[in-house]
Amino acid sequence: EAGVAQSPRYKIIEKRQSVAFWCNPISGHATLYWYQQILGQGPKLLIQFQNNGVVDDSQLPKDRFSAERLKGVDSTLKIQPAKLEDSAVYLCASSLESLNEQFFGPGTRLTVL
Amino acid sequence: AQSVTQPDIHITVSEGASLELRCNYSYGATPYLFWYVQSPGQGLQLLLKYFSGDTLVQGIKGFEAEFKRSQSSFNLRKPSVHWSDAAEYFCAVGPGGYNKLIFGAGTRLAVHP
Repeated sequence: EAGVAQSPRYKIIEKRQSVAFWCNPISGHATLYWYQQILGQGPKLLIQFQNNGVVDDSQLPKDRFSAERLKGVDSTLKIQPAKLEDSAVYLCASSLESLNEQFFGPGTRLTVL
Repeated sequence: AQSVTQPDIHITVSEGASLELRCNYSYGATPYLFWYVQSPGQGLQLLLKYFSGDTLVQGIKGFEAEFKRSQSSFNLRKPSVHWSDAAEYFCAVGPGGYNKLIFGAGTRLAVHP
């Protein structure tokens, strides 16, 4: 069974630029999560989707971050414009349903200069 | 508010030595507790979980953890560490089970040969 796929694995941009990350969850998983992991901290949930609907985006900085999950499969997370403090690893995870074990992708490491 | 504290940022042990990683949580009710491991460039992998019942839980890779309600702790242990155990370990609490995980800041484990 293929795991959660993420791309790109690394991205370097300058502040005020925009960036997008892509996530392909495990086939059949209805729930998809995006986490932000800042160096020295644990992952923090940004947004949770159930199929193509948002369940929780209470910690998503909506002035600059956006996410979508078209057709309830793949998802993209966008930052526009990026700030220095957005430098982090962005993890995607998926689960069969929201009460099931989450499986994590390898993450995208973003560096904002 | 729920929170997780991992008091040790870095721990170094010799290969073959025993290991204990500390985790304290703050939560009003009986929590769901987890330990995850993150190897360099990899996503998080679930080591073990506590939902209810026996307070000593066994996980993968020879790890175990003990839930102590009186101390609000869920420490991770391994009797004999292998070099491949070098990684970062995260304790997490899930008020709704696997859902809405709150992670600690992590403990980075180094293993000396």
